[in-house]
Amino acid sequence: EAQVTQNPRYLITVTGKKLTVTCSQNMNHEYMSWYRQDPGLGLRQIYYSMNVEVTDKGDVPEGYKVSRKEKRNFPLILESPSPNQTSLYFCASSLRGQAGWEKLFFGSGTQLSVL
Amino acid sequence: RKEVEQDPGPFNVPEGATVAFNCTYSNSASQSFFWYRQDCRKEPKLLMSVYSSGNEDGRFTAQLNRASQYISLLIRDSKLSDSATYLCVVYNAGNNRKLIWGLGTSLAVNP
Repeated sequence: EAQVTQNPRYLITVTGKKLTVTCSQNMNHEYMSWYRQDPGLGLRQIYYSMNVEVTDKGDVPEGYKVSRKEKRNFPLILESPSPNQTSLYFCASSLRGQAGWEKLFFGSGTQLSVL
Repeated sequence: RKEVEQDPGPFNVPEGATVAFNCTYSNSASQSFFWYRQDCRKEPKLLMSVYSSGNEDGRFTAQLNRASQYISLLIRDSKLSDSATYLCVVYNAGNNRKLIWGLGTSLAVNP
């Protein structure tokens, strides 16, 4: 089954404790992206990757890191989480077509709480 | 002005009603347009791409008005299961090739 697998689904941590949210897709998609979603602010892009070893900042990259060493995986790393990073996070992937965009497939989300 | 704007609602309609949402965008060079559906705290899912000529998928119809820079989504014969947030998404190749997401319109279909 074509899917984007994101883990964990829920995570509670404390300020400053490094964490990684994993994201893996099995569709051979070139494009992968991380979003955070907050009430009243909608979906905001954190980082994206057009292909292996190619990553770019989105709209809200501060406090986050990513890597794309393999096509299928795109982990999100919070080196020193802070309470303002409490949010619902989504990973997404897409096969880019001639029109520029094909359908975005999303993971099921990670609800992160930083205490 | 936000790049993509939607009426947040909520729209409360009875089952069987027809409801329409609009979404306005500010960049006239925008190329591609989409409607996504998101259930509470779940991942967004593509509902429809929006084509220049308009397109229909069952009870759902999407239209694009480039002159007035808006897209619309029409839902006919609303079902309880249509209750969700509908997100308008716009792509502009010149804008670092990013998708711009609206904040969404909330729909509640009541029995």
